[in-house]
Amino acid sequence: EAGVAQSPRYKIIEKRQSVAFWCNPISGHATLYWYQQILGQGPKLLIQFQNNGVVDDSQLPKDRFSAERLKGVDSTLKIQPAKLEDSAVYLCASSFRQGGGEKLFFGSGTQLSVL
Amino acid sequence: QKEVEQNSGPLSVPEGAIASLNCTYSDRVSQSFFWYRQYSGKSPELIMSIYSNGDKEDGRFTAQLNKASQYVSLLIRDSQPSDSATYLCAVSGTGGFKTIFGAGTRLFVKA
Repeated sequence: EAGVAQSPRYKIIEKRQSVAFWCNPISGHATLYWYQQILGQGPKLLIQFQNNGVVDDSQLPKDRFSAERLKGVDSTLKIQPAKLEDSAVYLCASSFRQGGGEKLFFGSGTQLSVL
Repeated sequence: QKEVEQNSGPLSVPEGAIASLNCTYSDRVSQSFFWYRQYSGKSPELIMSIYSNGDKEDGRFTAQLNKASQYVSLLIRDSQPSDSATYLCAVSGTGGFKTIFGAGTRLFVKA
């Protein structure tokens, strides 16, 4: 079974530039998440999709971040314009519900450096 | 108050010892509890899930849950150098089943 695919693996941009990340979840997983992980911290949820609808985006900085999930499958996360503090690893995860909860499977992440 | 709190460590144990990792959470209606392992430069991977009070064992790992105390723990028996990683506690509640992670505890197992 193929895992969660993310691209690019690394991205270096200058502040005020824009950047986009892509994610393809595990086939059949209805829920998709974007997390931001700053070095030394735990993953912070940015946005959660159920199929192609947004379940939670309370911590998404909507003045600069946007995300969409087309046809309930692939998703893109965009930052425009980027700030220095956006330097982090952006993790995409998908999940299925088993037993009592959602078990998350993560992609390899995109490491973003904003200079 | 952070929603999920963990001691950042590092926690250092000798090979063969028991490593004990702890986590507390603030939302009393949380229903699902998870431990993820994250090696340096890698993504988190799920190692344990627990949904009801008590202990759950899987190989060398035991997860413990006490909802009254809002406390989750992970015990790693016969610790190996390959267990050296950051262990993330994650909690999921009702509604949209949003999963919140703690900051993680770094574990070092000395050979």
